[in-house]
Amino acid sequence: AQSVTQLGSHVSVSEGALVLLRCNYSSSVPPYLFWYVQYPNQGLQLLLKYTSAATLVKGINGFEAEFKKSETSFHLTKPSAHMSDAAEYFCAVTQSGNTPLVFGKGTRLSVIA
Amino acid sequence: DARVTQTPRHKVTEMGQEVTMRCQPILGHNTVFWYRQTMMQGLELLAYFRNRAPLDDSGMPKDRFSAEMPDATLATLKIQPSEPRDSAVYFCASGGQGSTDTQYFGPGTRLTVL
Repeated sequence: AQSVTQLGSHVSVSEGALVLLRCNYSSSVPPYLFWYVQYPNQGLQLLLKYTSAATLVKGINGFEAEFKKSETSFHLTKPSAHMSDAAEYFCAVTQSGNTPLVFGKGTRLSVIA
Repeated sequence: DARVTQTPRHKVTEMGQEVTMRCQPILGHNTVFWYRQTMMQGLELLAYFRNRAPLDDSGMPKDRFSAEMPDATLATLKIQPSEPRDSAVYFCASGGQGSTDTQYFGPGTRLTVL
């Protein structure tokens, strides 16, 4: 079975500050890991994905995440927060890109001017 | 710009009524997923199809939910009869058959059952 834990249901940062959203996973098979972003009243948009290639993954909008097998983590970071980054962020795990995703509960990011 | 489309975007109905939600996957994608999002449960899988065949529908209440793919360009999710606890946002996602493929999500159908 696979599962995802996102630490912190709500994270608040100042504009220009570092964004760090935490994700830990549990998987009995080598995982594929994803970060999605959801803006209000919209669907989920892929930010980035790890599919067993490079452990440091760069995504859209300046986000990146690092796969750390020893820590079973896939934390999402961005060096400098922008107001437009305010949204809900979901980490997800699966065993293959075309099998169902198991999502974490989500982290709501607020950016303060 | 290929995208997954879902109709209707919003649906308000009364308890006991039938609800049908439709999804048009991205052309060429052979895997279709239905997810439900609620405040309490978060995002959870209801069912998924590959090449129009159902692979897993264990997340659906079998007595009231049904999912089908009449053809490669249409997936449907039906609830009959609907109940207030079915109020949620229902997302369709589609993806290819490659192991590194990405699931692309539609905008969702927000269902309210009164």
